[in-house]
Amino acid sequence: GAGVSQSPSNKVTEKGKDVELRCDPISGHTALYWYRQSLGQGLEFLIYFQGNSAPDKSGLPSDRFSAERTGGSVSTLTIQRTQQEDSAVYLCASSSQRQGFLFGELFFGEGSRLTVL
Amino acid sequence: GENVEQHPSTLSVQEGDSAVIKCTYSDSASNYFPWYKQELGKRPQLIIDIRSNVGEKKDQRIAVTLNKTAKHFSLHITETQPEDSAVYFCAASKGAGSGYSTLTFGKGTMLLVSP
Repeated sequence: GAGVSQSPSNKVTEKGKDVELRCDPISGHTALYWYRQSLGQGLEFLIYFQGNSAPDKSGLPSDRFSAERTGGSVSTLTIQRTQQEDSAVYLCASSSQRQGFLFGELFFGEGSRLTVL
Repeated sequence: GENVEQHPSTLSVQEGDSAVIKCTYSDSASNYFPWYKQELGKRPQLIIDIRSNVGEKKDQRIAVTLNKTAKHFSLHITETQPEDSAVYFCAASKGAGSGYSTLTFGKGTMLLVSP
């Protein structure tokens, strides 16, 4: 596609429910990132996928959060047993960088706004 | 891990004035420093970046300076216009050579340009 696509754009859920957020990166981009944006908190790194390498999960805030990337393309971020503090905009970004190359521009999706009641 | 501090959190200027946003980073191995602009309700977009082998880079009304010794970099916007109003994020990464390129962002600066 022309850009990074995320779905759903908005999700309202009840505390304790599981949610799945999807990211479809730009075709050919090997690097994929998930960030969380809360009001006044900037862009908080969650997880990074680079090609076939093991993902960098160091930013995941708890074991309720997990992500996978199938076939080096689409990624799904799963939040189990959602809590009110999980409410935020979840942004996905992709990049054409490869290991050993200079860092490439991140192209962000529009984000998925999650509201946990 | 890397820690990026950004100041100020909000900045109000009159149209035509200059605006300066400052960031510091903690990891001396970081070598790539981009700036992203996020307009209200939009996605962040890259506006300028600098790599550690240069001290300054300009693109029309915006410029970025880097002081590696002090681990400090800044965004300068001259002749500000109302359309410059947005949240600006600085970031740092180890970039090339490390095979590890997570980008750590600052908390952002909301720039308001009044006509």
